[in-house]
Amino acid sequence: DTGVSQNPRHKITKRGQNVTFRCDPISEHNRLYWYRQTLGQGPEFLTYFQNEAQLEKSRLLSDRFSAERPKGSFSTLEIQRTEQGDSAMYLCASSSRLASTDTQYFGPGTRLTVL
Amino acid sequence: KNQVEQSPQSLIILEGKNCTLQCNYTVSPFSNLRWYKQDTGRGPVSLTIMTFSENTKSNGRYTATLDADTKQSSLHITASQLSDSASYICVVSARNDYKLSFGAGTTVTVRA
Repeated sequence: DTGVSQNPRHKITKRGQNVTFRCDPISEHNRLYWYRQTLGQGPEFLTYFQNEAQLEKSRLLSDRFSAERPKGSFSTLEIQRTEQGDSAMYLCASSSRLASTDTQYFGPGTRLTVL
Repeated sequence: KNQVEQSPQSLIILEGKNCTLQCNYTVSPFSNLRWYKQDTGRGPVSLTIMTFSENTKSNGRYTATLDADTKQSSLHITASQLSDSASYICVVSARNDYKLSFGAGTTVTVRA
């Protein structure tokens, strides 16, 4: 399968714990995005990488959130001291700047539940 | 205020029937509009993409239309199947901006 993959698919944690999610984009894609989606809503932009550079962070991304893409390939999203309000689906997407329409391809998401 | 509004919020149709979903947007300057299908617990999958000059785009039983003058789009599902049950999200891109504007989605439930 050459699509975007995310791990884990589901994560249940207690409030105050740290969690880390991983995203593996389509191999030739240099752009990578993280989104958060709550029930009944469309995805909300969190952050964007072009290669290894994090070019933009949404105001939604508080200081407890950090994302990395160390070698311009896979990316990790870490949430420290989780809160119940962090419960959501975290989606990763990738795209190629070489494509004229730059379609973003989404992974299956990581469902986070904070108890 | 969201720049992409979808209606209805949800709908239920019988298998084999047709339905039409609506999307209004204010994103400017407009680059392209996509319809994504999102199955429960999965990531969105692109169905169609339309640029400014395109009025209609089909993908099997899915047909999308775009009126760039009125900033409206529709997604028509023909001869619905149980597997069409999903959320359909309208996504609009502005020119020279990698960020996407998402609608809240329309949840379609197809019943036998």
